[in-house]
Amino acid sequence: DQQVKQNSPSLSVQEGRISILNCDYTNSMFDYFLWYKKYPAEGPTFLISISSIKDKNEDGRFTVFLNKSAKHLSLHIVPSQPGDSAVYFCAALGRGGADGLTFGKGTHLIIQP
Amino acid sequence: NAGVTQTPKFRVLKTGQSMTLLCAQDMNHEYMYWYRQDPGMGLRLIHYSVGEGTTAKGEVPDGYNVSRLKKQNFLLGLESAAPSQTSVYFCASSYSRIGNEQFFGPGTRLTVL
Repeated sequence: DQQVKQNSPSLSVQEGRISILNCDYTNSMFDYFLWYKKYPAEGPTFLISISSIKDKNEDGRFTVFLNKSAKHLSLHIVPSQPGDSAVYFCAALGRGGADGLTFGKGTHLIIQP
Repeated sequence: NAGVTQTPKFRVLKTGQSMTLLCAQDMNHEYMYWYRQDPGMGLRLIHYSVGEGTTAKGEVPDGYNVSRLKKQNFLLGLESAAPSQTSVYFCASSYSRIGNEQFFGPGTRLTVL
């Protein structure tokens, strides 16, 4: 039973436009959410995070929005650049239980020139 | 700083063989984690450690053992490898549970024949 869901396996966006990656979760015990970026043959690298007490966090071109009532978060990348082409993982941390992250399956973002 | 390093990068085992994966971090982090990633899946937590001398089970611990004898090292052992353990293994570390990102190593690609 997937607790973190990324329903779009891939997304293609034109360079310079906005990329919006979506993530849904089912476990109301999650209190911290993160986005990771992963290139082939490398480990994931941290992008941005948000606490459940906030609804928005911004860092340069990256903004994460959290809608707790809908159990939904999204990552906005503006403007999209060729180097943004990668797999993006949504991850969540729970208040109780294991201290590791629960990951979604990832969305492959392709930035078209 | 090397960050998080993993040894080896690649390994092929026969069913029933044993091996140990080594993870080392030079950031003085308390928390360390082992994840596995299978094709089309997100990362899943195998075991984790919240400090030297401690270990705990994650989501998929069966068939694996871990040890954290030194703060900077976290070892993952497979006593009797099975084809179902063919995967890419990632180690990660973090300063604390929340508010601090997890840093990932480059991964170990393991194939069990």
